[in-house]
Amino acid sequence: GDSVTQTEGQVALSEEDFLTIHCNYSASGYPALFWYVQYPGEGPQFLFRASRDKEKGSSRGFEATYDKGTTSFHLRKASVQESDSAVYYCAPGSGKLTFGDGTVLTVKP
Amino acid sequence: SVLLYQKPNRDICQSGTSLKIQCVADSQVVSMFWYQQFQEQSLMLMATANEGSEATYESGFTKDKFPISRPNLTFSTLTVNNARPGDSSIYFCSSNWGGAETLYFGSGTRLTVL
Repeated sequence: GDSVTQTEGQVALSEEDFLTIHCNYSASGYPALFWYVQYPGEGPQFLFRASRDKEKGSSRGFEATYDKGTTSFHLRKASVQESDSAVYYCAPGSGKLTFGDGTVLTVKP
Repeated sequence: SVLLYQKPNRDICQSGTSLKIQCVADSQVVSMFWYQQFQEQSLMLMATANEGSEATYESGFTKDKFPISRPNLTFSTLTVNNARPGDSSIYFCSSNWGGAETLYFGSGTRLTVL
């Protein structure tokens, strides 16, 4: 079945740093991956969907590209802000309703 | 999209008691999902509830412990029976409005069992 592995449990950056969060994806079919963000005290929010080889998804300055060679989707942002501090989850598509372990992003001013 | 409202926002109960968590959607949705999230952990799918049918539970969750009702297309209730300290977590309702793959979540109910 489809499964995801987030390799970074925690990421600490300063404002304007470049962000990369890795999500390794094992898919039995057509790969599509969702990114969600959870701010403290809130439920997860849909960030965007990415699919296909090299087809990017993007939202709020975040983007993700599927790397067919490594079967990975990497969440990237060129310049993070303190307000981006949150937990980021990747989740496989295909109605699996499961989530990765999450990556806690802390951005210092 | 769909907005999901949960109540209560938080609850504290004694071991052995039962409590109900309500979820209301601002539009009709076919499926509602309930998730459990322990402190600093990911979300775990508990069950799927469709209107007019019994909820389908994931491994580790049972109908006796977590009965779920889904009386109509905008409402669902999760009950925690015989609550134990190990049930202390945040419970979220969720839905994929329109049957799309995107999930929308309520704001959660933080449960503390003493």
